[in-house]
Amino acid sequence: GQSLEQPSEVTAVEGAIVQINCTYQTSGFYGLSWYQQHDGGAPTFLSYNALDGLEETGRFSSFLSRSDSYGYLLLQELQMKDSASYFCAVKGGGGFKTIFGAGTRLFVKA
Amino acid sequence: SQTIHQWPATLVQPVGSPLSLECTVEGTSNPNLYWYRQAAGRGLQLLFYSVGIGQISSEVPQNLSASRPQDRQFILSSKKLLLSDSGFYLCAWRSREGGEKLFFGSGTQLSVL
Repeated sequence: GQSLEQPSEVTAVEGAIVQINCTYQTSGFYGLSWYQQHDGGAPTFLSYNALDGLEETGRFSSFLSRSDSYGYLLLQELQMKDSASYFCAVKGGGGFKTIFGAGTRLFVKA
Repeated sequence: SQTIHQWPATLVQPVGSPLSLECTVEGTSNPNLYWYRQAAGRGLQLLFYSVGIGQISSEVPQNLSASRPQDRQFILSSKKLLLSDSGFYLCAWRSREGGEKLFFGSGTQLSVL
């Protein structure tokens, strides 16, 4: 089966940098994704790493180490609107299934 | 462009009543389709996925079932709802031609009383 672990909550100050870690266990690993979800809304895709290394998309970056079964999401220049839940997810099961972690609630303070 | 429609947005149902949630996708063909459930403040639990018409894979034994009667239609059903079926239900699709991104519908908040 698959399992993912990520911190339940992170608090940071506006303008700062925050890193949300994710460790996973899965068979047939294809890649690690990150999604953002605001309260009451649907998750939206942020990034995907299939290979080791860092992927940068604007203020957001995502890192993967396949040998360590570990990844992180890095958010820079935090804004109040970044307050949301962030989920890591693994694609497995023959490439059809995406399994999500329990999510990290990010609180951005002024 | 592709869009995903999910309805209703909210639903309050008594215990023991039936359920039918519908999801349709427009602007794409042969999508992989998914139903997830999210308890308040929790992660997304994969319930069902489908890679084609009539093909349903169940992830969690439960009181729910899913059907895909048409290529871009995915239905979540129950014959008799339980209190534990309450939650936020999300439909999603992914392109069959690879790509990682899951596109989610706006969700249905189901309260079973």
